[in-house]
Amino acid sequence: EIVLTQSPDFQSVTPKEKVTITCRASQSIGSSLYWYQQKPDQSPKLLIRFGYQSFSGVPSRFSGSGSGTDFTLTINSLEAEDAATYYCQQSSSFPPTFGGGTKVEIK
Amino acid sequence: QLQLQESGPGLVKPSETLSLTCTVSGGSIGSTRYYWGWIRQPPGKGLEWIGSLYYSGSTHYNPSLKSRVTLSLDTSKNQFSLKLTSVTAADTAVFYCARSTTSPYGDFDYWGQGTLVTVSS
Repeated sequence: EIVLTQSPDFQSVTPKEKVTITCRASQSIGSSLYWYQQKPDQSPKLLIRFGYQSFSGVPSRFSGSGSGTDFTLTINSLEAEDAATYYCQQSSSFPPTFGGGTKVEIK
Repeated sequence: QLQLQESGPGLVKPSETLSLTCTVSGGSIGSTRYYWGWIRQPPGKGLEWIGSLYYSGSTHYNPSLKSRVTLSLDTSKNQFSLKLTSVTAADTAVFYCARSTTSPYGDFDYWGQGTLVTVSS
């Protein structure tokens, strides 16, 4: 089973700052990596597909990069509504697995 | 717009069977383009994929749960279901149903709102 390790676990950020979240896979997963945003008491929402493709309707300040074992989610110019926990997920290897999450708090 | 809605008992006794249904509206679970899955999240914890199924009835289960899980679908009702047997307190979680497009293993582009199932006597 592929383990996805996210860092940091928690980040407190001022609005308009840039946020960078990393996801490292225990073995190469190509580009089969997705990012989700989960706000309190809500279901996860897909942000990024295949490492870099923005899902429909996702604000342009969200972007993804990476391949192989190292991936990054970047939020440019953080907004208050971006306070959430962010998860990565891989579908390259069975079973699909999720990272432990990164909680982003607004200062 | 596609909507998914989970339903089922919010409380299940230990050793009994947890049964949930996901009703899909705004799209057909009989489509050849999509897969339908279940993911769970224990309170305050991360996400765990339970399993996925295809319109044909083919299923994929997480090995950690495979011996206790059964997924099925009812195309006439546009619903798919989850049964988890021999539950314990460790199965207490919010259960989500979701759709994936590229494979049974993700990406999950539409999710239900989730339903909390507590395992307790």
